[in-house]
Amino acid sequence: DAGVTQSPTHLIKTRGQHVTLRCSPISGHKSVSWYQQVLGQGPQFIFQYYEKEERGRGNFPDRFSARQFPNYSSELNVNALLLGDSALYLCASSLGGSLTDTQYFGPGTRLTVL
Amino acid sequence: GNSVTQMEGPVTLSEEAFLTINCTYTATGYPSLFWYVQYPGEGLQLLLKATKADDKGSNKGFEATYRKETTSFHLEKGSVQVSDSAVYFCARLGGTSYGKLTFGQGTILTVHP
Repeated sequence: DAGVTQSPTHLIKTRGQHVTLRCSPISGHKSVSWYQQVLGQGPQFIFQYYEKEERGRGNFPDRFSARQFPNYSSELNVNALLLGDSALYLCASSLGGSLTDTQYFGPGTRLTVL
Repeated sequence: GNSVTQMEGPVTLSEEAFLTINCTYTATGYPSLFWYVQYPGEGLQLLLKATKADDKGSNKGFEATYRKETTSFHLEKGSVQVSDSAVYFCARLGGTSYGKLTFGQGTILTVHP
């Protein structure tokens, strides 16, 4: 069975640009969560979506937004990129029926902002 | 608030040595506890989990026991291999932060032949 997939693998942008990252969850999973992992640190929670509704939001500015589609895939959008947005962006999927369902991670998208 | 604290690394061991990586969590609510592993250039892989006190999670020779009395979830392996070299993250889910995984800072493990 396919695991969580993310695209693109790597991305280079300049300050002020906009970026869209994509995630497809494991088949049968209805919840997607996004995390930001800065080099040398643990991942930080950005958003969680379940059945196309936002269920949780971390301490990130409004430049970060996301959505979930009817097929449960998800997009993370970041506007007005800053150098500090350079990080590995991880998507995790879970069954979603319970808030404590185990989350399974994709390989991540490495974003570099110049 | 909810937090997870891991022992600081890096940890360097010889092959077949015993491994312990300490992890403690804040005792807010009744969280589920996890260990994830990250190999260079990759995402996080679930290594093991425990959902209630006294549960033992195990996988690939790694074990961790959910200790409510000491708010700990230490990772152990009796005999490490070079292929175990990676970054290990302890995490909690639930309690008062439903749906959000809270991670420790990660521990870098290097195993030499």
